[in-house]
Amino acid sequence: GAGVSQSPRYKVTKRGQDVALRCDPISGHVSLYWYRQALGQGPEFLTYFNYEAQQDKSGLPNDRFSAERPEGSISTLTIQRTEQRDSAMYRCASSLPRGTLLRTGELFFGEGSRLTVL
Amino acid sequence: AQSVAQPEDQVNVAEGNPLTVKCTYSVSGNPYLFWYVQYPNRGLQFLLKYITGDNLVKGSYGFEAEFNKSQTSFHLKKPSALVSDSALYFCAVSRYSSASKIIFGSGTRLSIRP
Repeated sequence: GAGVSQSPRYKVTKRGQDVALRCDPISGHVSLYWYRQALGQGPEFLTYFNYEAQQDKSGLPNDRFSAERPEGSISTLTIQRTEQRDSAMYRCASSLPRGTLLRTGELFFGEGSRLTVL
Repeated sequence: AQSVAQPEDQVNVAEGNPLTVKCTYSVSGNPYLFWYVQYPNRGLQFLLKYITGDNLVKGSYGFEAEFNKSQTSFHLKKPSALVSDSALYFCAVSRYSSASKIIFGSGTRLSIRP
């Protein structure tokens, strides 16, 4: 598609279950970012990739959170043993068409995946 | 470490008046600076960016922002506000280097009254 696609759009799960959130970036975009956003707050950086390499995961809250982008395109954010405090909107963004200089560029955001942990 | 501060949670302006949304940043080295807008129940949309060059940057929907290195600020401005400008605005910063993480501020809610 033309934009960043995230799935599922809504996920309700019970505490202790694992969840996987998927991001399909704009075709050809090199960089992919994951953010978490609470209602009315700014996006909180989680991690980002250039191609398939995870460049920075300093924002992942703890070891229950992990992300991968094995072929440099689609990415999955996995949360193991979910807790109620994990409830939030998880946003993915992509940037930098392949072939451009590897500089920070503007982000193109998806509509997000809203996670609710009961 | 890099950080962004948006000191105002909310800015209220009458339609037709100029508006300013404030942003200050902290980053090692030269910054990349961005403004994004978020409408209710939507994703964030890019407005404008500063990389290098002219300190006054023009962006979408008539918005502009002024980079001030000495004050480490990047305030968003518009000469004449519209009711449709009412939204949540986020400032963001990154280091001027190969693609690196982008940190967002906490956001400012802009409310334009008719």
